[in-house]
Amino acid sequence: IVLIQSPATLSVSPGERATLSCRASQSVSSNLAWYQQRPGQAPRLLIYSSSTRAAGIPARFSGSVSGTEFTLTISSLQSEDFAVYYCQQYNTWPPLTFGGGTKVEIK
Amino acid sequence: QVQLQESGPGLLKPSGTLSLTCTMSGGSMNISKWWTWIRQSPGKGLEWIGAIYHTGDTEYNPSLKSRVTLSVDKSKNEFSLKMTSVTAADTAVYYCARTAMANRRYFDYWGQGTLVTVSS
Repeated sequence: IVLIQSPATLSVSPGERATLSCRASQSVSSNLAWYQQRPGQAPRLLIYSSSTRAAGIPARFSGSVSGTEFTLTISSLQSEDFAVYYCQQYNTWPPLTFGGGTKVEIK
Repeated sequence: QVQLQESGPGLLKPSGTLSLTCTMSGGSMNISKWWTWIRQSPGKGLEWIGAIYHTGDTEYNPSLKSRVTLSVDKSKNEFSLKMTSVTAADTAVYYCARTAMANRRYFDYWGQGTLVTVSS
C-alpha cells in the first residue's frame, strides 16, 4: 500500500493552523498512525487508529479520516512542532509502509 | 519505561554483512509485541525492514527479504538484524522499534537510531 503525503513542505507561522494530508492507494480502514520527527531524533508516535492521540500528546494534535484520505491537524503551531511528519499504515503487511513525509517549517 | 538501544558497526564495506543488535530494557520481550527494524536513508523517508515476534515468527519487507535475517534472544532482552551483500544504497540510520500490540502494528517505542555507512 502506497501512502502519498502532501504537501511535501508546509510553511506556517507560529500560532497558525497546519493541515497535513496522507492518501492511501487502497483502503487501510482506520489503521493509520502519525509520527513526528525532529532533526536528529527518532520518530515519535502522535496518533494511532487515525484519530486517537498517543499518551502525552497535546490536544492541539488531531487526526481524521474520510475514505482513504487521512488528515493530521495541528491547531496552533508551537515552536517545538516544526518538524517532519510521517503517516504509516498497519492494515496490511508485509510490508508496513510509511508516507514520504511532510516538513512543517517556520514561515 | 521501555527503552531500546541499537548497537553495531557504523562502517561497512560493500558486499559485507550488516549486523545490528537492539537491547531492550524496562520490560519483557516475552509479550505480544513485534520487535522491528526500520531504516532511514540520509534525507529520506522511513522504510520498514522486518519484525520478529517473541515466538521467533518473522515478517520481512519483500524488497529486502532475500538479504535479511532477524533473530531474538529473550534471555538477553535482545533482537538482531543481519543484512547481507550490502551496497551504498544500504547506508542509513537504522532504528529498532516496538509495535504497540501484536495486531496493532504501529510503533510506540523507538531506539535513538544508529548510522550505518557502506563505503569502500
